[in-house]
Amino acid sequence: DIQMTQSPSSVSASVGDRVTITCRASQGINRWLAWYQQKPGLAPRLLIYAAYTLQSGVPSRFSGSGSGTDFTLTITRLQPEDFGTFYCQQTDTFPITFGQGTRLDI
Amino acid sequence: QVHLQESGPGLVKPSETLSLICSVSGYSLTSGYYWGWIRQPPGKGLEWLGSIYHNGDTDYNPSLKSRVTISVDTSNNQFSLKLVSLTAADTAVYYCARTLDFTSSAPFDFWGQGVRVTVSS
Repeated sequence: DIQMTQSPSSVSASVGDRVTITCRASQGINRWLAWYQQKPGLAPRLLIYAAYTLQSGVPSRFSGSGSGTDFTLTITRLQPEDFGTFYCQQTDTFPITFGQGTRLDI
Repeated sequence: QVHLQESGPGLVKPSETLSLICSVSGYSLTSGYYWGWIRQPPGKGLEWLGSIYHNGDTDYNPSLKSRVTISVDTSNNQFSLKLVSLTAADTAVYYCARTLDFTSSAPFDFWGQGVRVTVSS
């Protein structure tokens, strides 16, 4: 199985800040990486797929980059509603696997 | 708008079988996409269990060691999850979801609200 490792495990930031979360795959996955945001008690919400493609309806302050094994989710001009736990997911090889999550506190 | 709703027991005894149903509205299963099950143990991350296409083609997570079966009921626009030989480690919120496109490994863009399942005697 491909292991997905996120860092940091948690981060605190203020409104207006820029936040970067990284995700590393244990082997190359081309650009087949997705990012989700999950708020307590709710299902995950797809933010980005294919490493950098923004899902419909997601604010442009979210962006993704990377390919191969190293990927980044960046949130610019942080807003109060951006809190939650963020997960990366590789969609290159079965079984599909997720990172362990990064908790963002505003 | 696609809507998914999980249903099933909230409490199951160890060694028994869990059966969950995902009812889909706003989209016909036979029109395409893959439909999956994902679970999340309390306070932990996400684990993909498996996915199914409307023709019955499935992909499963090998970590479940053949304990899982996913099936589709196109007449009722539903798909289901069966997990046998339950242990406490299967306690989790179980989500059903739809893939973003017609590939089996695509990310999931529509999710159900989740159903909490506790395995306990």
